[in-house]
Amino acid sequence: DAGITQSPRHKVTETGTPVTLRCHQTENHRYMYWYRQDPGHGLRLIHYSYGVKDTDKGEVSDGYSVSRSKTEDFLLTLESATSSQTSVYFCATRGTGTGTDTQYFGPGTRLTVL
Amino acid sequence: AQTVTQSQPEMSVQEAETVTLSCTYDTSESDYYLFWYKQPPSRQMILVIRQEAYKQQNATENRFSVNFQKAAKSFSLKISDSQLGDAAMYFCAYDSNYQLIWGAGTKLIIKP
Repeated sequence: DAGITQSPRHKVTETGTPVTLRCHQTENHRYMYWYRQDPGHGLRLIHYSYGVKDTDKGEVSDGYSVSRSKTEDFLLTLESATSSQTSVYFCATRGTGTGTDTQYFGPGTRLTVL
Repeated sequence: AQTVTQSQPEMSVQEAETVTLSCTYDTSESDYYLFWYKQPPSRQMILVIRQEAYKQQNATENRFSVNFQKAAKSFSLKISDSQLGDAAMYFCAYDSNYQLIWGAGTKLIIKP
């Protein structure tokens, strides 16, 4: 699998505080994604990036922003966390060449908003 | 719009037996990719197998194989010689414009 790390792996925070999750990859993949996974909903796309400084919204983007200043890093920010954002967050990457056209996932970050 | 349907919320199989998980999809495209991912209790999302739609031959990876029926838009996963470590959620996914369309998942239980 692609070298994908996520930090932090676990976080507990309070309602109204800002939170930033980091995804780091070592595969030089062009595409990066942020998903959330909740019971009964499977994986839902929050935002994705198709290059440095190129991002777009997914199906559940409200309350989230992203940034990508380097190929290897993709940040997800909750400007003011709410309890509905308690979830497990996954980062994924995808290349564009033959054999790299598959999404590979990081280990996930469990976020609890009290 | 593309959709992916997994009609079996839960399946169970005896250890060492064979089980087949179903997946159907809807698309008007002719060239695409299909995937099966496994998510064990550790929550890590692991690629099981990948199929390119333009290839007639069904993909295989050790004990895992697919039955890809392009005309029927069906993409089932067969697990042979089931092992306790195969217990997990299995997700079928379709690649559309560099994004994955996901099925709801099938929980696979292995009976010892």
